[in-house]
Amino acid sequence: DAKTTQPPSMDCAEGRAANLPCNHSTISGNEYVYWYRQIHSQGPQYIIHGLKNNETNEMASLIITEDRKSSTLILPHATLRDTAVYYCIVRAAGFSGGYNKLIFGAGTRLAVHP
Amino acid sequence: NAGVTQTPKFQVLKTGQSMTLQCAQDMNHNSMYWYRQDPGMGLRLIYYSASEGTTDKGEVPNGYNVSRLNKREFSLRLESAAPSQTSVYFCANWGQGPNYGYTFGSGTRLTVV
Repeated sequence: DAKTTQPPSMDCAEGRAANLPCNHSTISGNEYVYWYRQIHSQGPQYIIHGLKNNETNEMASLIITEDRKSSTLILPHATLRDTAVYYCIVRAAGFSGGYNKLIFGAGTRLAVHP
Repeated sequence: NAGVTQTPKFQVLKTGQSMTLQCAQDMNHNSMYWYRQDPGMGLRLIYYSASEGTTDKGEVPNGYNVSRLNKREFSLRLESAAPSQTSVYFCANWGQGPNYGYTFGSGTRLTVV
C-alpha cells in the first residue's frame, strides 16, 4: 500500500473552505484514496473516496491530481463541528481474502475557529 | 439505529488480569476489525475477520486473541493484560452500498495499571 503524507495540523475560519492536502507520490494504478475523520475520541467516520476522478458528496469534495500523486479534501463551508483529525489513506481495490484493511497514519488535526 | 456496538466503554485492569472486549453489529456485513489507538497516533489493526469463522492477524496481534463465532459478533480477548495495552480499542465492520466503508463503534477505553 502506498504511503501518505499529511500536514500535522491546520486552521480554518468558520464558514470558509477547508482544504486538506495529502501526498501519495507512490500510489499505483489500482489504489483508491480514502478520507476518514475522527472527532474527539469517537470512532473514525467515512467521508469520501476516489480513484482518479474528482468526487463530491454531501460532506466534502475530493480533488485528485491528474498524475494521482496528491489529493485535496475540501470542506466547502467549515463549521466548528468539523474540528477533527482527518486521515488520508491509500488502498488497493481487489482485496485478497475478502477483507478490506486500511492503514491509518497520524492524520491532519483541523481546528475550525470562530 | 444500525451500527456497531462495543462494550464496555471503560475498563481498568490490573497487570496480569484477563478480559474480553465485546463487539456486535446489526448491519449484516461480512468483515469485522479490531483496531487500537494510542494517544496522538493513528489506528493500528490488531485482528480482522473476513467472514464468520475466519480470523487473521493484523499489524499488532501479540497479546491478543479474537473470536468470530457468528456473523454478528467479534470479540477481542486479552489473556494477561500489560500496561503497554493501555489504549482505546475500536471495533469496525466494512460495508458496501449506502453504508460503504468502515463503520466504527464508539470505542473501549482500557487502562492497565
